[in-house]
Amino acid sequence: DAKTTQPNSMESNEEEPVHLPCNHSTISGTDYIHWYRQLPSQGPEYVIHGLTSNVNNRMASLAIAEDRKSSTLILHRATLRDAAVYYCILLSGAGSYQLTFGKGTKLSVIP
Amino acid sequence: NAGVMQNPRHLVRRRGQEARLRCSPMKGHSHVYWYRQLPEEGLKFMVYLQKENIIDESGMPKERFSAEFPKEGPSILRIQQVVRGDSAAYFCASSPRDSRRSPLHFGNGTRLTVT
Repeated sequence: DAKTTQPNSMESNEEEPVHLPCNHSTISGTDYIHWYRQLPSQGPEYVIHGLTSNVNNRMASLAIAEDRKSSTLILHRATLRDAAVYYCILLSGAGSYQLTFGKGTKLSVIP
Repeated sequence: NAGVMQNPRHLVRRRGQEARLRCSPMKGHSHVYWYRQLPEEGLKFMVYLQKENIIDESGMPKERFSAEFPKEGPSILRIQQVVRGDSAAYFCASSPRDSRRSPLHFGNGTRLTVT
């Protein structure tokens, strides 16, 4: 399975943008890039996913590099509620159903 | 629109007892997944079910663990003769299509403690 690499932790000030990076140099052509986050004592929450083009939704934006070997999750204005562990996950459109959660990036938001 | 409901939220069992964890998927979702999160570890896939059928159980321990998703009622994850190593948070997720085509909606988990 293609793997992802994320920083262990990041900090952001409240109301500032946050850019969470993810490297996936062995990504294959059929792999979608998914982002989930997990707030303390809760289940994971879907954030966004994409294949090749940049994607926007009400929660975040996903910027995908032209060679698809990296991507960045962008939170436009961090709030205290965004403090969570963020997981970048590759999921093949033709392969396993399993989401493989790594250690993710623990985002702290400073008031 | 109710989300994925898991109960109980917390479950304490003595070694050797049985644990039954329940998951009611979101309305209209026929695909259910179970994941386990051991203390200080990431979530690990256990099993994927679609109404009355087990599609992928490659993440399930070979013994003592079973899962079902009957035509009527919630999905059940059953752990027989629990041991201390089964202590973990168990999360259920559901989706209207399989996870390659549709994001998963997770419940808030059942935290199992084996004493």
